[in-house]
Amino acid sequence: KNEVEQSPQNLTAQEGEFITINCSYSVGISALHWLQQHPGGGIVSLFMLSSGKKKHGRLIATINIQEKHSSLHITASHPRDSAVYICAVHSGGGADGLTFGKGTHLIIQP
Amino acid sequence: DAGITQSPRYKITETGRQVTLMCHQTWSHSYMFWYRQDLGHGLRLIYYSAAADITDKGEVPDGYVVSRSKTENFPLTLESATRSQTSVYFCASSERGTANTEAFFGQGTRLTVV
Repeated sequence: KNEVEQSPQNLTAQEGEFITINCSYSVGISALHWLQQHPGGGIVSLFMLSSGKKKHGRLIATINIQEKHSSLHITASHPRDSAVYICAVHSGGGADGLTFGKGTHLIIQP
Repeated sequence: DAGITQSPRYKITETGRQVTLMCHQTWSHSYMFWYRQDLGHGLRLIYYSAAADITDKGEVPDGYVVSRSKTENFPLTLESATRSQTSVYFCASSERGTANTEAFFGQGTRLTVV
């Protein structure tokens, strides 16, 4: 079973700061997903990646397959970025479904 | 409306009762999933389906039954609800599976078993 660890568990920062959330996993994967869960509970997909780097607006996701590690960066953070950010992996093989980290609770203060 | 919808959004039931949570998607995605979210555990896979009439167990399937007679629907049934099944349940879909395509989540169903 793949173990997915996120750090930090909680992060409070000031508006405008550069944010980094880390994710590591124990077994090789087919793909890694970054998700955002809003205070109201809804879950939105931010990125799916299997190598390299992806960018969408102020969000950047990177993955290092050899190191079994991924990072999610937020540039010029804003209070509306306050949410729980969840890393999830697809471990490959014949089965589907994601294995999730426990999430990083991010608060951006004005 | 296009998307993935769950019903009901909130449900309170008694121990021992049968409960069915509904999930409907309009994209004709092949894959559908049921997850539960609990404090301290994060999200965990209950069951998934790769196509109509094909279902497979996930990490925590005990006490749950699923079916997928139509591509767009994937109901989850708790045959005899227990307090340990109090949770928030999320349905998700993915066009070609989560190794290849992103997942889209429903709004969640908060189930309380008393």
